[in-house]
Amino acid sequence: SQQGEEDPQALSIQEGENATMNCSYKTSINNLQWYRQNSGRGLVHLILIRSNEREKHSGRLRVTLDTSKKSSSLLITASRAADTASYFCATASSSNTGKLIFGQGTTLQVKP
Amino acid sequence: GAGVSQSPSNKVTEKGKDVELRCDPISGHTALYWYRQSLGQGLEFLIYFQGNSAPDKSGLPSDRFSAERTGGSVSTLTIQRTQQEDSAVYLCASSPRTSGSLIDTGELFFGEGSRLTVL
Repeated sequence: SQQGEEDPQALSIQEGENATMNCSYKTSINNLQWYRQNSGRGLVHLILIRSNEREKHSGRLRVTLDTSKKSSSLLITASRAADTASYFCATASSSNTGKLIFGQGTTLQVKP
Repeated sequence: GAGVSQSPSNKVTEKGKDVELRCDPISGHTALYWYRQSLGQGLEFLIYFQGNSAPDKSGLPSDRFSAERTGGSVSTLTIQRTQQEDSAVYLCASSPRTSGSLIDTGELFFGEGSRLTVL
């Protein structure tokens, strides 16, 4: 079974607005990662946050992690049309099996 | 350097035929993953190889699916007696892994995928 569930499934915003996507998971994790997928392409890694971290930034991306609620959020600030893609969270179990389990993803559309 | 390479990029086959999908990981990456993605869906974990350890096959959906990794590099995913529900994009990813007692799952590098259509 899949580990992560993402919310919303789809999001449509205007260029310049912020986009927030949420991810919930079920078991204890070692780290949580966010990936982006353009239509018909492979996934590209965006950011990794470890279980002992609460917030991480990378450019216009901000990721938060709340291990007590087993949830994470990805914030994209000042969105651009080029940010249109699907975004997936993925969790690495604290049992360190090496397996990375992905959520169902959020499809983001940024309108110019 | 070169990224993860998958072939074929597209494969159309008839129900009941066997298919092989190939993945060339990034040189030096010890971990290799196969995922399946149906249209508009998330990624379904299939199998994971790490170095010389026994692979984690817990995600393979049936015994028609198998995978091997030769020489710790190239991997082949084989689907026997294909069914229409096998139609999907099959994604391969590789990752460098830390050595030692603590395994840390880091960033995965994905190929472009192999799109399989079973008629």
